[in-house]
Amino acid sequence: DIQMTQSPSSLSASVGDRVTITCRASQVLRNNLGWYQQKPGKAPKCLISDASRLQDGVPSRFSGGGSGTEFTLTISNLQSEDVATYYCLQHHSFPYAFGPGTKVDI
Amino acid sequence: QVQLVESGGGVVQPGRSRTLSCAASGFLFKSYGMAWVRQAPGKGLEWLAYIWYDGSNKFYSESVKGRFTVSRDNSEDTMSLQLDSLTGDDTAIYFCARAPYGKAFDYWGQGTLVVVSS
Repeated sequence: DIQMTQSPSSLSASVGDRVTITCRASQVLRNNLGWYQQKPGKAPKCLISDASRLQDGVPSRFSGGGSGTEFTLTISNLQSEDVATYYCLQHHSFPYAFGPGTKVDI
Repeated sequence: QVQLVESGGGVVQPGRSRTLSCAASGFLFKSYGMAWVRQAPGKGLEWLAYIWYDGSNKFYSESVKGRFTVSRDNSEDTMSLQLDSLTGDDTAIYFCARAPYGKAFDYWGQGTLVVVSS
């Protein structure tokens, strides 16, 4: 089974900062990875698919990169509404697996 | 617009069963794979199950294999998750998601809470 890790587990930054979250997989995923944002008390929302494809309606300050076993989610110009927990999910092979999450605070 | 609505949550005694439902609308349900994900209180997301667009293939996490069963009714645009032999560790919010095969989970329901308690 593929294991997923994320770093950091939490971070605190200022409005306007650029933050990067890293997700690592125990096996090659090609680009079969998505990034999800979950605000407190809400359902997750897909931000990025295929490692780097921005979903419709997602602000362009979010970007995804990487391939193989290492992937990044970058938020440039961090906004107060970006306070959330961010998860990666590998959908390369079953059983699918989420990373443990990264909590982003302002 | 795409909408997914879960139902069936509630309080259930340990060892008992519960069936959750996910009602889909706004898209051609029979053309999409679907998934279940849960989140225990204060914890991260856990993928549970996946069912192909036509129901012909199903996949489960090791943590629920043999206890949970996913199914779908393409004539009713619904997906179900039967939860058997429930324990306190199954207490969680259960989400359904649209999951095109090999693609990200692009739409999610609001979730339904299952509490396993005597």
